[in-house]
Amino acid sequence: DVKVTQSSRYLVKRTGEKVFLECVQDMDHENMFWYRQDPGLGLRLIYFSYDVKMKEKGDIPEGYSVSREKKERFSLILESASTNQTSMYLCASSLYRERGLEQYFGPGTRLTVT
Amino acid sequence: AQTVTQSQPEMSVQEAETVTLSCTYDTSENNYYLFWYKQPPSRQMILVIRQEAYKQQNATENRFSVNFQKAAKSFSLKISDSQLGDTAMYFCAFVRTGANSKLTFGKGITLSVRP
Repeated sequence: DVKVTQSSRYLVKRTGEKVFLECVQDMDHENMFWYRQDPGLGLRLIYFSYDVKMKEKGDIPEGYSVSREKKERFSLILESASTNQTSMYLCASSLYRERGLEQYFGPGTRLTVT
Repeated sequence: AQTVTQSQPEMSVQEAETVTLSCTYDTSENNYYLFWYKQPPSRQMILVIRQEAYKQQNATENRFSVNFQKAAKSFSLKISDSQLGDTAMYFCAFVRTGANSKLTFGKGITLSVRP
């Protein structure tokens, strides 16, 4: 079974802190994604990556950056956390560039910025 | 740009009954995929069912089936013999084929199955 893990289920940070959210997948997937989930807004894509050291902006990249130094790991970085970044963050991965293939999701990180 | 609309925020169904969740989408593409994802209260999102746009036959997966109407851009999910474990948020999603395409999700619907 594909497994996508995220470093924390719950995280509380203060405004202005630098925050790292880590995602690891164990199935050698090329594609990895970071989404933000908010009530009434569904899932919105923040950033995605097709390969190591590659990254592309999604629909809401402002205030975020990403890093993919190894194929299995995709990190989401909040350079200076703000209260409007309080949300559920979901990581996902999929095989190759074929968009018809299933995305596998991690359990999510509930981030609260105070 | 593609849009996916799930107009019903919540639904409720009695255990063992059938329920249909609605989804419409807007696209000018001809080749694409549609998905229904399930997110139970534990939060791990999983794929329920997938439909290729070029296939006329509606996809089925055990108790889950879809009604895909390409001309009407409609993609509804039918859950038969509802079970308590079907209680979850359900998201409809769209992706066009080809490189650099992104999955677009609807806002989701919360389904509650009553015992």
